[in-house]
Amino acid sequence: TQLLEQSPQFLSIQEGENLTVYCNSSSVFSSLQWYRQEPGEGPVLLVTVVTGGEVKKLKRLTFQFGDARKDSSLHITAAQPGDTGLYLCAGGSSTGGATNKLIFGTGTLLAVQP
Amino acid sequence: NAGVTQTPKFQVLKTGQSMTLQCAQDMNHEYMSWYRQDPGMGLRLIHYSVGAGITDQGEVPNGYNVSRSTTEDFPLRLLSAAPSQTSVYFCASSYFAGTGVGYTFGSGTRLTVV
Repeated sequence: TQLLEQSPQFLSIQEGENLTVYCNSSSVFSSLQWYRQEPGEGPVLLVTVVTGGEVKKLKRLTFQFGDARKDSSLHITAAQPGDTGLYLCAGGSSTGGATNKLIFGTGTLLAVQP
Repeated sequence: NAGVTQTPKFQVLKTGQSMTLQCAQDMNHEYMSWYRQDPGMGLRLIHYSVGAGITDQGEVPNGYNVSRSTTEDFPLRLLSAAPSQTSVYFCASSYFAGTGVGYTFGSGTRLTVV
């Protein structure tokens, strides 16, 4: 069974601080996605990375896929209250053909205080 | 632009009752899936479909049935509700069943079984 562990589970910071969220597994994934979820809503896709070592930037968010495609990180620079939410990583697992099953991590709950 | 629509938003069932959670998407997406989200356990895959007439089991399929008679609809049926099925259920879709393709999620159904 493929598992994705996220750390930390909870993070409370002040506006303007930087932070990094980690997503780790002992399994290799074909792709890695990050989602943000707000209370009462479904997760919303932030980014997809598919190549080992790949780095993508989305404004103040920087995503990296590990060289061995077993881990990923999300770095937020100068966090703002609007960044508050549950951050989920999800690994793409293809088995026996063109499937797109995602294995989700347990999530990191981020609270940015003004 | 509706995206993925889930109904109902909230539901309370008695143990042993059956019900169907509805999911519809208007994006002509090929791939659809159902997840349940429980505290501390992230999102777990229940069933998925790679196209009309094709379904398969995910990680936690027991107690649930699905069918995919049209591209747009993917209902999830609870056969005989149990308290362990109390959870938030999310339907998700993607435009094809391939690696690295991001999901669009519905806003969820919060189910309580008493």
